[in-house]
Amino acid sequence: DQQVKQNSPSLSVQEGRISILNCDYTNSMFDYFLWYKKYPAEGPTFLISISSIKDKNEDGRFTVFLNKSAKHLSLHIVPSQPGDSAVYFCAASKRASGSRLTFGEGTQLTVNP
Amino acid sequence: SQTIHQWPATLVQPVGSPLSLECTVEGTSNPNLYWYRQAAGRGLQLLFYSVGIGQISSEVPQNLSASRPQDRQFILSSKKLLLSDSGFYLCAWSGGTSNQPQHFGDGTRLSIL
Repeated sequence: DQQVKQNSPSLSVQEGRISILNCDYTNSMFDYFLWYKKYPAEGPTFLISISSIKDKNEDGRFTVFLNKSAKHLSLHIVPSQPGDSAVYFCAASKRASGSRLTFGEGTQLTVNP
Repeated sequence: SQTIHQWPATLVQPVGSPLSLECTVEGTSNPNLYWYRQAAGRGLQLLFYSVGIGQISSEVPQNLSASRPQDRQFILSSKKLLLSDSGFYLCAWSGGTSNQPQHFGDGTRLSIL
């Protein structure tokens, strides 16, 4: 049962444009959502998170949007840079599970110069 | 600041041999600790998590075991490795309360021959 889904395995954008990475979830008990960035042969790096009481959180070039009714979240990167090329994972947790996370399968973002 | 160390970075082992991967965290006390596996082209699968010394929860039945002999030390073990144990193993830590990000080590690439 894949409770967190990233339906696009890959995304390619031009440098300077917006990158939009999408994530859907099925468990309505999830109340905390995160995005991680992962380079090859390295561990994931935490990027940004959002609580279910908000619908938007912004940190520099990164903005996460949460649509609870659609059980959908997205990560916007503006402007995209070649160094943003990596695999992006979304993850979710619910208070009853402590800080255990459920991850999506990742989206490979390629930013072309 | 908190840091997480995981070693070795790469390991090649024959089928049937034992395994011991170690993870230590510095700069925090009583963290939650996690072991994940990432199979090629797949997402992160939670294997074990621990909320305290000697407290281990297993998420999936498998050939591996985990131990937490000290507050900031987490060990992943196997008595006899299988070919299917190949993958990228990641250790992570988080604070002890809900809805906090996890922070990952750099991982161990395990190849079983």
